[in-house]
Amino acid sequence: KQEVTQIPAALSVPEGENLVLNCSFTDSAIYNLQWFRQDPGKGLTSLLLIQSSQREQTSGRLNASLDKSSGRSTLYIAASQPGDSATYLCAVRPAGNMLTFGGGTRLMVKP
Amino acid sequence: DGGITQSPKYLFRKEGQNVTLSCEQNLNHDAMYWYRQDPGQGLRLIYYSQIVNDFQKGDIAEGYSVSREKKESFPLTVTSAQKNPTAFYLCASSIPASNTEAFFGQGTRLTVV
Repeated sequence: KQEVTQIPAALSVPEGENLVLNCSFTDSAIYNLQWFRQDPGKGLTSLLLIQSSQREQTSGRLNASLDKSSGRSTLYIAASQPGDSATYLCAVRPAGNMLTFGGGTRLMVKP
Repeated sequence: DGGITQSPKYLFRKEGQNVTLSCEQNLNHDAMYWYRQDPGQGLRLIYYSQIVNDFQKGDIAEGYSVSREKKESFPLTVTSAQKNPTAFYLCASSIPASNTEAFFGQGTRLTVV
């Protein structure tokens, strides 16, 4: 059974820092990996989708990488801002189509 | 605008009651999903449907039921058999067997009173 782990569970950084969030998964047979952002009490907003054949995707200050063979993905946030404060979730989609989620990383960026 | 609409945003249930959460999408997606989120935790799959009139149990289906009579709609009923229903419920949709994104609604917070 696919298991997804996110480290760290919580992170607090000063504004302007570059930071890395980690996601690992146990079964490398995936279609894709998706990173989401969740604000308190809200739904999930898709940030980046990396297909299984890709190594990385970029959107603005966000860069996500995927190493399928080792079961790892990282989300890099450059020049963090207080508005980046949220919970970040990674999810993998196996052949069965159901997304399996990690427990999330709760990020606080202090002004 | 295309998207997923969940209603209501907040729902209160008395002990022994069944309640139904609504999920509607206009993205023309065949696959729809229901997830449960408990405080400080990730999402767990309750039910999913990859086509109209068909659905499958997820990891935590006990105490829940669904229907998929229309492509656009995938309502979730929380029955009285669900002993701990207080949680945040999220609906999602996607194109099955594809490399495209899954999209989520804004969630329904269910509280037992």
